[in-house]
Amino acid sequence: AQSVTQPDIHITVSEGASLELRCNYSYGATPYLFWYVQSPGQGLQLLLKYFSGDTLVQGIKGFEAEFKRSQSSFNLRKPSVHWSDAAEYFCATIHSGGYQKVTFGTGTKLQVIP
Amino acid sequence: SQTIHQWPATLVQPVGSPLSLECTVEGTSNPNLYWYRQAAGRGLQLLFYSVGIGQISSEVPQNLSASRPQDRQFILSSKKLLLSDSGFYLCAWSRAGGLRTEAFFGQGTRLTVV
Repeated sequence: AQSVTQPDIHITVSEGASLELRCNYSYGATPYLFWYVQSPGQGLQLLLKYFSGDTLVQGIKGFEAEFKRSQSSFNLRKPSVHWSDAAEYFCATIHSGGYQKVTFGTGTKLQVIP
Repeated sequence: SQTIHQWPATLVQPVGSPLSLECTVEGTSNPNLYWYRQAAGRGLQLLFYSVGIGQISSEVPQNLSASRPQDRQFILSSKKLLLSDSGFYLCAWSRAGGLRTEAFFGQGTRLTVV
C-alpha cells in the first residue's frame, strides 16, 4: 500500500535559517504527494502538491518541495524561516485506486527560535 | 468556491455520553468525505470515508460510527464515549473522480472526554 514516512518528529530552527523537512514515500509508480501545514488548533492547509512533470514544486508561503524518485523522497524546503512558520507539517499521498483516500505521515513539528 | 464547515469547534463530554459531530460541504456535489482523528502526539488517522450518500467505509474498528444522510453532510457519532475518544477530529472532502485532487479540511473539533 502507498504510504509516506516522516522520520523527524520535531525540528527546531533559528529564524532566518533554512529549513528542510523530510518525507519518504513507498510506491512503485509515480505517487501523488502533498505537503500540508497545521497551525495549533486549526485544520490543515495545503502548501503544495506534486502529480507529475517538473520535480521542483513551488507552494504557498515561500515553500518548495523536490520530488526525487531515486531517493523516494519529497522533502519540503524553505530558504529562510519566519517565526510564523512554527506549526506541524504533514506529508501525504493519495491512493490511486478506487476513491481518493489521503494518507498522512505522522507529522513534523517545527519550532522556530529567535 | 467550495467551503467546508465543521462544528462544534470544541466539545467537552462525560464518559458514556453520546456524540454527534457534523460536517457540511458547500459549492461542490458528490464529494468524497472523510473523518480523521488526530490524537495527542500522533499523526492523522483516517476513521471513515464515504463516496456517496449512505455509503460508509470504516478504516479502523472503534467506538465511533459515521453516517452520510445527504450528499454534502457527514456525521460522526458515538452512543457512549470513552476516554480514549478524546482527540482532534477533522472532516475533509475531495473531488470524486480523477486523481489530481487534494483533500480540503475543516477547522476541526477538539473533543475532550472527561
